[in-house]
Amino acid sequence: AQSVTQLDSHVSVSEGTPVLLRCNYSSSYSPSLFWYVQHPNKGLQLLLKYTSAATLVKGINGFEAEFKKSETSFHLTKPSAHMSDAAEYFCVVGVGDTGRRALTFGSGTRLQVQP
Amino acid sequence: DVKVTQSSRYLVKRTGEKVFLECVQDMDHENMFWYRQDPGLGLRLIYFSYDVKMKEKGDIPEGYSVSREKKERFSLILESASTNQTSMYLCAGSSGGGFSNQPQHFGDGTRLSIL
Repeated sequence: AQSVTQLDSHVSVSEGTPVLLRCNYSSSYSPSLFWYVQHPNKGLQLLLKYTSAATLVKGINGFEAEFKKSETSFHLTKPSAHMSDAAEYFCVVGVGDTGRRALTFGSGTRLQVQP
Repeated sequence: DVKVTQSSRYLVKRTGEKVFLECVQDMDHENMFWYRQDPGLGLRLIYFSYDVKMKEKGDIPEGYSVSREKKERFSLILESASTNQTSMYLCAGSSGGGFSNQPQHFGDGTRLSIL
């Protein structure tokens, strides 16, 4: 079975400071990992994905995430927060075991960016 | 660009009604998914489909059914709506073959209220 835990339900940063959103996963198989962002009243947009290539993954809007197998983590970072980054972020794990063709979503981290 | 379209952004229905939520994708995706999103619970998978006329139960299928008569359209049906089905419903699509290592593309969601 697979699961994903987002360690913070809310994160607040000041504009221009770094962002760190934490995610741990568990999986019996080599996982695929994703980060999605959801702005208010919108669907989810893919930020980046890891599928067993490079462990440091670069995404859109200056975000990146590092896959650390030893720590079973896939934390999302950005060097400098912008007001438009305020949104909810979801860490997602996908594992192709037992024919399950679906993803497991974390419960989300709401990012606030203070001016 | 890829596009998943949900027919209604907001919908209000009464208890006991049969409710249809429609989703259309123009990406020739094999896989389509229905989720519900509730505060603090993240996204929970209701049903998914990996081919026309094929469907599989997700994590919370009770009270719902689905229909996929054409590849581009995936309908979610609430057989007899109840107030605990008030939620945001999200439709998504993904390419086949790679199963859970493929990112999903989401619609903007339907906010359904059952009175």
